[in-house]
Amino acid sequence: EAQVTQNPRYLITVTGKKLTVTCSQNMNHEYMSWYRQDPGLGLRQIYYSMNVEVTDKGDVPEGYKVSRKEKRNFPLILESPSPNQTSLYFCASSTNLGQGITQYFGPGTRLLVL
Amino acid sequence: GEDVEQSLFLSVREGDSSVINCTYTDSSSTYLYWYKQEPGAGLQLLTYIFSNMDMKQDQRLTVLLNKKDKHLSLRIADTQTGDSAIYFCAETLSGYSTLTFGKGTMLLVSP
Repeated sequence: EAQVTQNPRYLITVTGKKLTVTCSQNMNHEYMSWYRQDPGLGLRQIYYSMNVEVTDKGDVPEGYKVSRKEKRNFPLILESPSPNQTSLYFCASSTNLGQGITQYFGPGTRLLVL
Repeated sequence: GEDVEQSLFLSVREGDSSVINCTYTDSSSTYLYWYKQEPGAGLQLLTYIFSNMDMKQDQRLTVLLNKKDKHLSLRIADTQTGDSAIYFCAETLSGYSTLTFGKGTMLLVSP
């Protein structure tokens, strides 16, 4: 089954404690992306990657890091989380089918930073 | 810069048609999308339209695009309670560029 998986699904942590949210896709997609969703703000893109070892900042990259060492994985790293990073995070992957992107979204990771 | 605007809330009765509207500012938009987010779930692509099209129909869904006014709409015919969700409009300039989302429209369908 084609899917994007994220782990963990829920996480409570404290300010400053490094954490990583993993994202994996089994569709051999080149493009992967991280979003955060906040009430009243919709989805905002954090980082994206067009292929292995190629990453770029989205609209809200501050406080986040990513890496793309393998095609299937795109982890999101918070080196020193702060309360304003409390949010719902979505990973997505896609390929250009020539008639528009079909982006597949993961189920989301709900993060609370105390 | 890119900006996508949507109304925040729509309430309809089961069996009626729903129309969710979206406006965007970037005239270079190549693809425009509608996503659905059910409670506690990720986003699901419903449909998309290429910028050289005016209309696209897919079963109960009809997408209308007015490029002159930069206006996109999603019509859901015979709306069901299972259609209750948040609907996001999104745009992108090319195959791999940033996908810009609107803030989402919450559709509530009452029996």
